[in-house]
Amino acid sequence: GAVVSQHPSRVICKSGTSVKIECRSLDFQATTMFWYRQFPKQSLMLMATSNEGSKATYEQGVEKDKFLINHASLTLSTLTVTSAHPEDSSFYICSASAGIAGDLKGNEQFFGPGTRLTVL
Amino acid sequence: QKEVEQNSGPLSVPEGAIASLNCTYSDRVSQSFFWYRQYSGKSPELIMSIYSNGDKEDGRFTAQLNKASQYVSLLIRDSQPSDSATYLCAVNLFKLIFGTGTLLAVQP
Repeated sequence: GAVVSQHPSRVICKSGTSVKIECRSLDFQATTMFWYRQFPKQSLMLMATSNEGSKATYEQGVEKDKFLINHASLTLSTLTVTSAHPEDSSFYICSASAGIAGDLKGNEQFFGPGTRLTVL
Repeated sequence: QKEVEQNSGPLSVPEGAIASLNCTYSDRVSQSFFWYRQYSGKSPELIMSIYSNGDKEDGRFTAQLNKASQYVSLLIRDSQPSDSATYLCAVNLFKLIFGTGTLLAVQP
């Protein structure tokens, strides 16, 4: 299967600081990248979808000014959590697909290993 | 009604047995379906994708799709303790919609 990396794997920061998470597709070109959040014992929650070179599409209830997403190339997307607070502590996971978001037939999504964010 | 429904489990099977995991979905428009495995504290790993009615086999895994009944299943043959994980069913409806997952416990 395709390989997606994510960095850092774990980050601890103080309340009010910003944290940037990188997601890279290592062996394929990711037309679309997705950002998810997962709280303990809950399922994945899609935060936003981004196509290379376009603005991200955010899910309802996700603050676009707080969670900044950049998909500058076909292999790299970044998520910046701005002015992080303890309630932002969660497991953030990116995924990448060679398909086009919104396509019903939808290509497979491959997930990165995740970033565990703890905000003190 | 939830868009993708799975029994949360836990589903407990003895080592070597067949584990059967089920998933139903509500929207008939869906055309692609996926099974992911997620170990505790880790991210999901794609196991199978299926797009057509019928069975699709890959090693010890068989995915079954019945669009008329809006039903997807995953069979794991010769279950091993290392298969113990949460199995997530996902349905593509312009974006992936995940079920809450079924926890599988394979007893040695």
